[in-house]
Amino acid sequence: NAGVMQNPRHLVRRRGQEARLRCSPMKGHSHVYWYRQLPEEGLKFMVYLQKENIIDESGMPKERFSAEFPKEGPSILRIQQVVRGDSAAYFCASSPPEAAYQETQYFGPGTRLLVL
Amino acid sequence: AQSVAQPEDQVNVAEGNPLTVKCTYSVSGNPYLFWYVQYPNRGLQFLLKYITGDNLVKGSYGFEAEFNKSQTSFHLKKPSALVSDSALYFCAVRDESNSGYALNFGKGTSLLVTP
Repeated sequence: NAGVMQNPRHLVRRRGQEARLRCSPMKGHSHVYWYRQLPEEGLKFMVYLQKENIIDESGMPKERFSAEFPKEGPSILRIQQVVRGDSAAYFCASSPPEAAYQETQYFGPGTRLLVL
Repeated sequence: AQSVAQPEDQVNVAEGNPLTVKCTYSVSGNPYLFWYVQYPNRGLQFLLKYITGDNLVKGSYGFEAEFNKSQTSFHLKKPSALVSDSALYFCAVRDESNSGYALNFGKGTSLLVTP
């Protein structure tokens, strides 16, 4: 059973470009979470999605960031007009559809974004 | 509001000795507590969790953690450390009374096990 998959693993962008990060949850998981890890810090929650629905986006910056989880295909975290402060590791996690409070979130290997 | 504190940035221990990585939490309702480990340039791997029941939770790779409600702590322990245990350890909490599903992470503790 494959784990959570993320691609690309590394992404380099120049200021002003767009970054697209993809996440495929574990088989059977319908809940996806995105977190950001800045250097020397813990993970910070960004957004929680189910298929075709954003459930909680309280951690998303108000501008330039968006996320989706379409009916078919991976979840996408999109960052428009990237700035140097967006440089970080972005992790996706997934969990089964039952009892979300109690379920473990399983993390992917992350995408390390570097903005030049 | 919910929060997690890991008071030690780094813990050093000799191989074969017991290790403890500390975590304290603050929540409004009943806590759901998790420990994850992160190796360099890797994602987080789940170690163990406390939801309810027995206060001593056993997890992967010989790790265990004890939930202490009165001290609001969930310290990670292992009886005999291995050099391969050297990594970054994160404690996380979710609050039952909080309508959100996000995990709230501590800043992490770097564990170094020396031969």
